[in-house]
Amino acid sequence: DQQVKQNSPSLSVQEGRISILNCDYTNSMFDYFLWYKKYPAEGPTFLISISSIKDKNEDGRFTVFLNKSAKHLSLHIVPSQPGDSAVYFCAASVPGNTPLVFGKGTRLSVIA
Amino acid sequence: DTAVSQTPKYLVTQMGNDKSIKCEQNLGHDTMYWYKQDSKKFLKIMFSYNNKELIINETVPNRFSPKSPDKAHLNLHINSLELGDSAVYFCASSQGGLATNEKLFFGSGTQLSVL
Repeated sequence: DQQVKQNSPSLSVQEGRISILNCDYTNSMFDYFLWYKKYPAEGPTFLISISSIKDKNEDGRFTVFLNKSAKHLSLHIVPSQPGDSAVYFCAASVPGNTPLVFGKGTRLSVIA
Repeated sequence: DTAVSQTPKYLVTQMGNDKSIKCEQNLGHDTMYWYKQDSKKFLKIMFSYNNKELIINETVPNRFSPKSPDKAHLNLHINSLELGDSAVYFCASSQGGLATNEKLFFGSGTQLSVL
């Protein structure tokens, strides 16, 4: 039962363009969402997060949008750079002492 | 300085063997975790420890036994390895516990291959 779904396994974008990575969830109890970035042979690193009381959070080139009614969030990277090429994991949590639930990841390739 | 370090990075072993993966964090965090990334690429939590106390055990077989000698270390011992145990195992830590939504800091992973 996948509670967090990243339906696109991969995405290719030209350098300088916008990258949009999508994530859907099924559990309406999720109240906090995070994006992690993972390079090969490394562990995931935290990128950006958003609470369910917001619909947008921005950090430099990275913006996360949350649409609670659609149970959908997206990560926008503008402008995309070759160094952004990595696997991006969406994760979500419910209130309380429960672990993060991760999606399967989307591999982003930014082509120079 | 590596914040969360785990060893070994690669582990190839035969079915039925017992093996351990070590993890250490130098961030002063209170909570440590073991995650498993299986062949389908899902990252799933296995265990969580807070100040050496087991908080979460997510229906992991008894063959997996975590040990936390102090809050900076969380080791994973696996008995009687099976083919299905082949995966990448990630150690992680966070300052607070799960309820605080603190971000996780991950180690670089241990790729376990059971032959």
